[in-house]
Amino acid sequence: GQNIDQPTEMTATEGAIVQINCTYQTSGFNGLFWYQQHAGEAPTFLSYNVLDGLEEKGRFSSFLSRSKGYSYLLLKELQMKDSASYLCAVMDSNYQLIWGAGTKLIIKP
Amino acid sequence: DADVTQTPRNRITKTGKRIMLECSQTKGHDRMYWYRQDPGLGLRLIYYSFDVKDINKGEISDGYSVSRQAQAKFSLSLESAIPNQTALYFCATSDPSGPFTDTQYFGPGTRLTVL
Repeated sequence: GQNIDQPTEMTATEGAIVQINCTYQTSGFNGLFWYQQHAGEAPTFLSYNVLDGLEEKGRFSSFLSRSKGYSYLLLKELQMKDSASYLCAVMDSNYQLIWGAGTKLIIKP
Repeated sequence: DADVTQTPRNRITKTGKRIMLECSQTKGHDRMYWYRQDPGLGLRLIYYSFDVKDINKGEISDGYSVSRQAQAKFSLSLESAIPNQTALYFCATSDPSGPFTDTQYFGPGTRLTVL
């Protein structure tokens, strides 16, 4: 079966750095997405990785290792507004998105 | 103005009632999707459509039906609502020719409660 694993919840301090991991087992691979979702709101697109390596976008970076079935989202200089759930999703061989359950990130002052 | 809109935003209904959730988009995307989200679970795909004449079942289509009235409109119906269909429902759109392959853009969601 297809599976996406990410931690259920993480806590970090304002101004710090946090890394959210995602491991996946899917039928084929056509890219990995990270989305941010504030409570009760729509998921919003953060990043896309299809090749191995690091993609940097401001305070957010996303890393992919296809051979290990592994990705992480790195958030730097954490702000209170970063408190949200972070969703990892993989596009499989049928171009369907398989979603993880999300990681709830709590930022403390 | 929002690119993807959903109506209603909140709905409370009773078991056995027929419910329609509507989605409209101004992004010009051909592909549209309906998901449900339950606490502790990932987004689960109900139906998707790659163009006006194309309808496909997703992971959890039982108890649901859809209609693609136009490129911009995609409706989800619950023919006879039951309590375990209580969830947050999202519509999404995508463009396979976009810079990030088939990135999906979500509407604000409809919170449905079935009593």
